[in-house]
Amino acid sequence: DAGVIQSPRHEVTEMGQEVTLRCKLISGHNSLFWYRQTMMRGLELLIYFNNNVPIDDSGMPEDRFSAKMPNASFSTLKIQPSEPRDSAVYFCASTVYTGELFFGEGSRLTVL
Amino acid sequence: GENVEQHPSTLSVQEGDSAVIKCTYSDSASNYFPWYKQELGKGPQLIIDIRSNVGEKKDQRIAVTLNKTAKHFSLHITETQPEDSAVYFCAAGSSNTGKLIFGQGTTLQVKP
Repeated sequence: DAGVIQSPRHEVTEMGQEVTLRCKLISGHNSLFWYRQTMMRGLELLIYFNNNVPIDDSGMPEDRFSAKMPNASFSTLKIQPSEPRDSAVYFCASTVYTGELFFGEGSRLTVL
Repeated sequence: GENVEQHPSTLSVQEGDSAVIKCTYSDSASNYFPWYKQELGKGPQLIIDIRSNVGEKKDQRIAVTLNKTAKHFSLHITETQPEDSAVYFCAAGSSNTGKLIFGQGTTLQVKP
């Protein structure tokens, strides 16, 4: 465990509702990544931040998805409005000074 | 675009046998090649990595090889044990940014 804490671990919501996923980092991390995992598409990079600044958001599927990193230890991924095809496990990951990427335990999202 | 191909998608071996998983990548600028193990309900965990300035790295029963000319790298697990059963992912990317592209994963089953 390299100190990447995600919440909630599970979220079930109805289509059209707003979903907010959270990621908290323990000190010593410098970059933050949001990945989405599905059976069909595997692990997809959605967006990543360096020093709290979004560097590459080309993986964000649609305008319904947004991510913020207001400080060095916290980030949110928001989906508004949610759709059934957004159902997946969302992972937050972070690098330490050696460049190694460490993942959180994931947030499993189910949109009905 | 950047792509990582991983084979096989499933692998079943007898306890004590060796397992080999192979990956190829497309981006010649990639210089960092980690391998992750994912158990059910958990986030991917880094098990070993290799950087482009070396051709082979070993850690107990796990070894990785890298052929930069051919753009492929492999994971070798010797003396497999039932607890090695999991999904394994290769990835390729930059050690500067931490940005990684993942393979589709290999489900390894080690039969006792």
